[in-house]
Amino acid sequence: TQLLEQSPQFLSIQEGENLTVYCNSSSVFSSLQWYRQEPGEGPVLLVTVVTGGEVKKLKRLTFQFGDARKDSSLHITAAQPGDTGLYLCAGKAPGGTSYGKLTFGQGTILTVHP
Amino acid sequence: DADVTQTPRNRITKTGKRIMLECSQTKGHDRMYWYRQDPGLGLRLIYYSFDVKDINKGEISDGYSVSRQAQAKFSLSLESAIPNQTALYFCATSDTRTGPGYTFGSGTRLTVV
Repeated sequence: TQLLEQSPQFLSIQEGENLTVYCNSSSVFSSLQWYRQEPGEGPVLLVTVVTGGEVKKLKRLTFQFGDARKDSSLHITAAQPGDTGLYLCAGKAPGGTSYGKLTFGQGTILTVHP
Repeated sequence: DADVTQTPRNRITKTGKRIMLECSQTKGHDRMYWYRQDPGLGLRLIYYSFDVKDINKGEISDGYSVSRQAQAKFSLSLESAIPNQTALYFCATSDTRTGPGYTFGSGTRLTVV
């Protein structure tokens, strides 16, 4: 079973601060996704990274896939209260019978205070 | 209407009762999944289906069963509910044509008393 460890589990910061959330595994993933979930709703896909070393930007959010495709990070610049939520990373195993299934990390609860 | 609809949104049931959670989608996706979410544990896969005739157990399938009635419908049953099945349940879809990203429903909050 592939495992994804997310850190930190909780993050409470002031508006305007920068932050980084990490997602680590000892296993290789063919792709890594980041989701954001708000209370009372399901997770919503933010980004998918596929290539080792890949960097994607979504406004103030920067996502990176590790060179060995075992880890990923999410960096938020100048956080805003609207960024508050649960952030989940999820990895897809390479090929085989597990194709299509995602393994999720435990999540990072981010609170941005005005 | 939402792309992935789950019913009911909230349910309280008694220990030992059979309960069904329903999921329907309008995205035309071939793959459907059931996950449960518990605080600090992320999302754990219960069952998944890659097409109507394909049903597979996930990592925590004990005590659960599923039915894929049509491409657009995937239901989850708890045969005899127990309190540690109290959780938030999510249905999700994906498609081989559009990549690995999932579309989630809004969830069903189930409480077993």
